[in-house]
Amino acid sequence: TQLLEQSPQFLSIQEGENLTVYCNSSSVFSSLQWYRQEPGEGPVLLVTVVTGGEVKKLKRLTFQFGDARKDSSLHITAAQPGDTGLYLCAGLNTNAGKSTFGDGTTLTVKP
Amino acid sequence: NAGVTQTPKFRILKIGQSMTLQCTQDMNHNYMYWYRQDPGMGLKLIYYSVGAGITDKGEVPNGYNVSRSTTEDFPLRLELAAPSQTSVYFCASNRDRIGHTIYFGEGSWLTVV
Repeated sequence: TQLLEQSPQFLSIQEGENLTVYCNSSSVFSSLQWYRQEPGEGPVLLVTVVTGGEVKKLKRLTFQFGDARKDSSLHITAAQPGDTGLYLCAGLNTNAGKSTFGDGTTLTVKP
Repeated sequence: NAGVTQTPKFRILKIGQSMTLQCTQDMNHNYMYWYRQDPGMGLKLIYYSVGAGITDKGEVPNGYNVSRSTTEDFPLRLELAAPSQTSVYFCASNRDRIGHTIYFGEGSWLTVV
C-alpha cells in the first residue's frame, strides 16, 4: 500500500501570514494532485504536477513536486480567510490505476 | 453538465439494515470511485471501476459491494450496516488514469445507530 503523509495535520494562522504544507511518501508517483475541500462539500482539484521538480503557481499558491516524485509541498503567501479548508494531496500510480489520498491538512486563517 | 450526482444526501440506518448509495455521472468517464471520509480525515478508497463490467477493491472494501453495469452508474451497497460505517461517502469519476481531474459528488452523510 502506498502511503501519503501530510503535515501539519492542523494549522491555524492569522490573515497575511505565509504557510507551507507538506505531502511525503516513500513511494514514487506518476503524478500528484492537490485538492481543497470546504465543509459539507466534495474536494475540488487545485493543481496536478507531473514532472519531478515541477513548480506551478496559482495566484498566491505555489505547488512543488519533488525531484524524485515522492513528495510535494503547497506554499500559500499572504493567507486569507477564504483559504480556510482541508487541503488534500493525492498521489497517482499509473500502473495501479487509482489515487492514494493523504489524511489532509486542516487550515484555518483568522481575520 | 450535472457532473457526479449521488443520492441520498443524508441517511440514518439501524444496525443490520442494508442500503444502496446511488452514483451517476454524465461526463462519459471510464473511471469511477467510492471513497469514505471520517471526520477530519482524508479519503479512503472503498471500491473503484475502470469501466463497465469491471470493479476492484480499494483500501477498505469490507462490508461493501459495488456493481458497474453501465458507464454512467456505480452504486455502492452496504450489507448489514455497522456503526463503523458511519461516515461521509463520496463518489467520484475521472476520464482516465493519467493525472486527470477527479470530479467528486457532493457526498452522502450516513449514520448507523
